[in-house]
Amino acid sequence: GAVVSQHPSRVICKSGTSVKIECRSLDFQATTMFWYRQFPKQSLMLMATSNEGSKATYEQGVEKDKFLINHASLTLSTLTVTSAHPEDSSFYICSARDLYSGGLGVTQYFGPGTRLLVL
Amino acid sequence: DAKTTQPPSMDCAEGRAANLPCNHSTISGNEYVYWYRQIHSQGPQYIIHGLKNNETNEMASLIITEDRKSSTLILPHATLRDTAVYYCIVRRAGFGNEKLTFGTGTRLTIIP
Repeated sequence: GAVVSQHPSRVICKSGTSVKIECRSLDFQATTMFWYRQFPKQSLMLMATSNEGSKATYEQGVEKDKFLINHASLTLSTLTVTSAHPEDSSFYICSARDLYSGGLGVTQYFGPGTRLLVL
Repeated sequence: DAKTTQPPSMDCAEGRAANLPCNHSTISGNEYVYWYRQIHSQGPQYIIHGLKNNETNEMASLIITEDRKSSTLILPHATLRDTAVYYCIVRRAGFGNEKLTFGTGTRLTIIP
């Protein structure tokens, strides 16, 4: 099946620093990737849609200048949390859509997630 | 996309079939039903999806009622590794409609 990886799996950083999270589709090409955030005991919340070669589309309430998304190739999207603060501590999960999967029943495949702790 | 309703939690004995219900009474004709699950501290795992016919794969079966207003995910022989939160999601077909809106899901606990 389609595999999506994330790196790092967990990161601890100091308040005010920036953290970059990578999302890779390992065995398929993904024109579209998605970034989610999940706080403890809550469901996943979509943050933004990342499109290869174009600007990301952010969900309402998500600061685009704080959460920088770059989708430079068909297999890599990065999320940079700039000037991180303790309230940014969360589980960040990406997903990718297989470029060649049928549009009608297209399936997203999720990465294993990155746990961010900001001290 | 149509909203879904799932019970917050369920228990199932190991080795038995786990039947997880989902209501999606406002589903429209071009919307698919997707099921994902999330094991603790991991990313969601795709299980199965369907439009109107029943579907089966190596993981589960999906039964969709004739009026499409509800569905049931069946794990035929539940194991302890099936303990997870199961999400039923309805999504419109077609490119550009890939957004998945996660609700609160059903926390399934498999009991030894």
